[in-house]
Amino acid sequence: KAGVTQTPRYLIKTRGQQVTLSCSPISGHRSVSWYQQTPGQGLQFLFEYFSETQRNKGNFPGRFSGRQFSNSRSEMNVSTLELGDSALYLCASSPGGAQFYEQYFGPGTRLTVT
Amino acid sequence: AQTVTQSQPEMSVQEAETVTLSCTYDTSESDYYLFWYKQPPSRQMILVIRQEAYKQQNATENRFSVNFQKAAKSFSLKISDSQLGDAAMYFCAYFRNSGYALNFGKGTSLLVTP
Repeated sequence: KAGVTQTPRYLIKTRGQQVTLSCSPISGHRSVSWYQQTPGQGLQFLFEYFSETQRNKGNFPGRFSGRQFSNSRSEMNVSTLELGDSALYLCASSPGGAQFYEQYFGPGTRLTVT
Repeated sequence: AQTVTQSQPEMSVQEAETVTLSCTYDTSESDYYLFWYKQPPSRQMILVIRQEAYKQQNATENRFSVNFQKAAKSFSLKISDSQLGDAAMYFCAYFRNSGYALNFGKGTSLLVTP
């Protein structure tokens, strides 16, 4: 099976702009989670989706949002970008069901805000 | 809130030697999972080993094993016969059933010297 894919891999945006990141989970996986990784804060959970429903959300401002489509692909959006949003954004997919704890990560999207 | 603490920001080991990375966590839950993830310079997060809290037996995966002390809330990773390819950032992570999210420690950077 193909692994988790994330697009784009690298992105440079200007402060105030908005950005959309995409994640395609492993085939058959129904849960997608997003994490932000920065040198200062480490890895922080953003949100998790299962069957198009957000089940959990981390402690991030409303500028961070996400959604999941019927094919389990997920997007996350950050509006009004700030310099502090520069980070590696990781997506992870999980089968759901009894194996909900098995999370497989994608290669990440490196976002730089200038 | 669950917290995961990795007290060793950096560790160094010689090739073929054994090294132990420490992790403690704080939780009031009784049912949860613990993980060690490896993140090499490529930034791809790779699962190293998993431990279910309800299992008393320590998990083992080839050269990697854990020492899980549930009462002490301690979860250390032992790497035997260290190889150059083991050099990476290692993250300890906690997953509780109802949270659908991984809580990560700050990570330990492992250097392997010839």
